[in-house]
Amino acid sequence: GGIITQTPKFLIGQEGQKLTLKCQQNFNHDTMYWYRQDSGKGLRLIYYSITENDLQKGDLSEGYDASREKKSSFSLTVTSAQKNEMAVFLCASTPGTANERLFFGHGTKLSVL
Amino acid sequence: AQRVTQVQPTGSSQWGEEVTLDCSYETSEYFYRIFWYRQLFSGEMVFLIYQPSFDTQNQRSGRYSVVFQKSFKSISLVISASQPEDSGTYFCALSEPDRGSALGRLHFGAGTQLIVIP
Repeated sequence: GGIITQTPKFLIGQEGQKLTLKCQQNFNHDTMYWYRQDSGKGLRLIYYSITENDLQKGDLSEGYDASREKKSSFSLTVTSAQKNEMAVFLCASTPGTANERLFFGHGTKLSVL
Repeated sequence: AQRVTQVQPTGSSQWGEEVTLDCSYETSEYFYRIFWYRQLFSGEMVFLIYQPSFDTQNQRSGRYSVVFQKSFKSISLVISASQPEDSGTYFCALSEPDRGSALGRLHFGAGTQLIVIP
């Protein structure tokens, strides 16, 4: 079995700050995703990557940058944190072949003061 | 525009009852898949079941099954003999292939929060 590790678990930032969230997977999966979940709502895709150095924008990419320098890691940067922003960021991965599902990390909870 | 719609924001059932959660979606792809996930109160996402578009048989996995109505672009998750441990938020997700990745982008619905009363 494998695991997806997201760091940090909790992130508190200041308005305007640049914040980076990290995700590591040891499944050797090709495809990785970043989703944002606001309280009581569904998951919205920010970025995804089907292989090392590949980046594809999702529906919510504005205000974010992503980086996939290694197959095992996918990082997300909030370029300028918004005041009172509060959300959970979920990282996921999949082999990318047919009939495979997503495996999720436990999330990073962001609060902006 | 919303690609995946779950019209029931909340639902409840009594222990042992069968529960049906509804989902509708929009796609112009011929090949796609619909996944169901449950989010625990801890935030952990648990995979439940998926239905490929090309399979006319409704999928089953343990106490979970789906009712797939392809022509209506709707799919329901059915949980038989519901238990309090089934409580949580259930998400429907549409997967459309993209370039080299069979899973592609997943579009999630807003979720249905289910409470199973003991």
